Amino acid sequence: LAKTTQPISMDSYEGQEVNITCSHNNIATNDYITWYQQFPSQGPRFIIQGYKTKVTNEVASLFIPADRKSSTLSLPRVSLSDTAVYYCLVGVRGTYKYIFGTGTRLKVLA
Amino acid sequence: ETGVTQTPRHLVMGMTNKKSLKCEQHLGHNAMYWYKQSAKKPLELMFVYNFKEQTENNSVPSRFSPECPNSSHLFLHLHTLQPEDSALYLCASSQASGGRNTGELFFGEGSRLTVL
Repeated sequence: LAKTTQPISMDSYEGQEVNITCSHNNIATNDYITWYQQFPSQGPRFIIQGYKTKVTNEVASLFIPADRKSSTLSLPRVSLSDTAVYYCLVGVRGTYKYIFGTGTRLKVLA
Repeated sequence: ETGVTQTPRHLVMGMTNKKSLKCEQHLGHNAMYWYKQSAKKPLELMFVYNFKEQTENNSVPSRFSPECPNSSHLFLHLHTLQPEDSALYLCASSQASGGRNTGELFFGEGSRLTVL
């Protein structure tokens, strides 16, 4: 399974756009890229998933370049409640082994 | 509310106790997972079940014993644990359709375990 690498932490201010990049150099053809958000003492929550190019939903956008060796989660106009740990997860559809990386601890400041 | 319920939410046990964690999913999923999360660390995959069959055991010590009686219920039986086993234990489920897992995991709120 592809290993993921993310920045350990990031700070931002309310109202700013935040971009968190994840590196997955060994991603395989069948691997999808999924991002999760986790608040303290809670289970992670699915944010967005993609395979290539760009995916957008009501909370975030996911940008995946053509070589798929990295992905960027974009959170528009963050608020204090977006302070959390964000995980990028690369998993193979058709299998059930999902290994989380270290995640990025985002702190949103007022 | 994610559709995955874990009980108890908090558990304190001595090293010689036997206890169990329970997970129930109401989503009709067929794959269930146990993850362990120690303080300020990423999630560690422990076990995976697919249609009640264990498909992954990520080198977990035998003092942790999983049980999956059906696709909706998952247990983690705990016996003679160590203080370093204190952590948040998270259950998750996912749906496989036609042999293809969506890759979208639905997590419960977790069971906070403290071993004295």
